[in-house]
Amino acid sequence: KAGVTQTPRYLIKTRGQQVTLSCSPISGHRSVSWYQQTPGQGLQFLFEYFSETQRNKGNFPGRFSGRQFSNSRSEMNVSTLELGDSALYLCASSLWRGQSYEQYFGPGTRLTVT
Amino acid sequence: KNEVEQSPQNLTAQEGEFITINCSYSVGISALHWLQQHPGGGIVSLFMLSSGKKKHGRLIATINIQEKHSSLHITASHPRDSAVYICAAWVAGNQFYFGTGTSLTVIP
Repeated sequence: KAGVTQTPRYLIKTRGQQVTLSCSPISGHRSVSWYQQTPGQGLQFLFEYFSETQRNKGNFPGRFSGRQFSNSRSEMNVSTLELGDSALYLCASSLWRGQSYEQYFGPGTRLTVT
Repeated sequence: KNEVEQSPQNLTAQEGEFITINCSYSVGISALHWLQQHPGGGIVSLFMLSSGKKKHGRLIATINIQEKHSSLHITASHPRDSAVYICAAWVAGNQFYFGTGTSLTVIP
């Protein structure tokens, strides 16, 4: 079974630009979550999508947005990039299997804003 | 103010030692996750628990809801256990709150 894939793996953008990151979950997983990881702030929760609906949202400005498609693939968009947006962006897909919860992380997209 | 606190921040152990990593949280949670992140960034979800204890191989996670505290234990530690261990409190209908992580190095 293929794991969670994220594209691109590395990205360099300039301040003020916008960026779209993509995440393909494990087949059968309908929940996709996005996280930002920086050396200073550590891991932070961005948002979670389930069946094309945003179910939960972290404390990030409106410049950060996402969506989920009918095939569960998800995209995250950051507009008007700032230097502080440089980070590793991780997505994870998850599934409840009975009473067991499975969550799998993708390898991440390393975004550098210059 | 950090909703989730982990200790210690850094831990060095000899191979074979019993290791404990602690996580305290201040929010009302639905579940507590333990994650493992290896050098290079890959994250693995180890446990999700909302009560009691869970065991997987040499890893054991416990949680005390009343005391708002969870521990991750590693028995018979091995150099391949070297990683950053992160706890995350899940507040249902809200979001995850992450600890800052415990960097574990196991020396052969």
